[in-house]
Amino acid sequence: DVVMTQSPLSLPVTLGQPASISCRSSQSLVYSDGNTYLNWFQQRPGQSPRRLIYKVSNRDSGVPDRFSGSGSGTDFTLKISRVEAEDVGVYYCMQGTHWPWTFGQGTKVEIK
Amino acid sequence: QVQLQESGPGLVKPSQTLSLTCTVSGGSISSGDYYWSWIRQPPGKGLEWIGYIYYSGSTYYNPSLKSRVTISVDTSKNQFSLKLSSVTAADTAVYYCARVNYYDSSVDYWGQGTLVTVSS
Repeated sequence: DVVMTQSPLSLPVTLGQPASISCRSSQSLVYSDGNTYLNWFQQRPGQSPRRLIYKVSNRDSGVPDRFSGSGSGTDFTLKISRVEAEDVGVYYCMQGTHWPWTFGQGTKVEIK
Repeated sequence: QVQLQESGPGLVKPSQTLSLTCTVSGGSISSGDYYWSWIRQPPGKGLEWIGYIYYSGSTYYNPSLKSRVTISVDTSKNQFSLKLSSVTAADTAVYYCARVNYYDSSVDYWGQGTLVTVSS
């Protein structure tokens, strides 16, 4: 299975400050069709996950533009330009290139 | 707006079979643009794919669970189901049904999740 490794696992952030989460895969996520199926999800406390980003950098409808995704190959990043209180939760990367699809361990974002 | 709702017993005895159903509303399960999936999350832990099914009945199971998993679809009821046999305490988790976008290989809608506890 493709192992997705996130860092850090815990991220205390000051309100209004930026935050960055890294996700590395154990093999390239470029599929034979040329697409890279790397997604980011947010899971607020007590809620189901919610997709933020698909195919590396495409933001879902309704997701604030302070969230952005980037990267290629095996190295990916989710950035929050200015953290707000509602951003508290656990963030997961997920690869949809190699079956079984796999998630990272999760990064817990909390307010300092 | 698509909605998914899991239903089934919240408590299953060890060695028995866990059975859950997901009812889809606001969209047709027969759409060729989506797969219908099960994902689980043990308490306090991360997310694990169980498998998914296409409306035609084609299935894809996580090899780690393949010998114990069956996912089926009932297009007439707009439902799909999960059966996991020979459960142990390690199968205690919140089970989510979810819709996977065929073109993105990504979940775009999740159910609210249902906690299934394996205990005697």
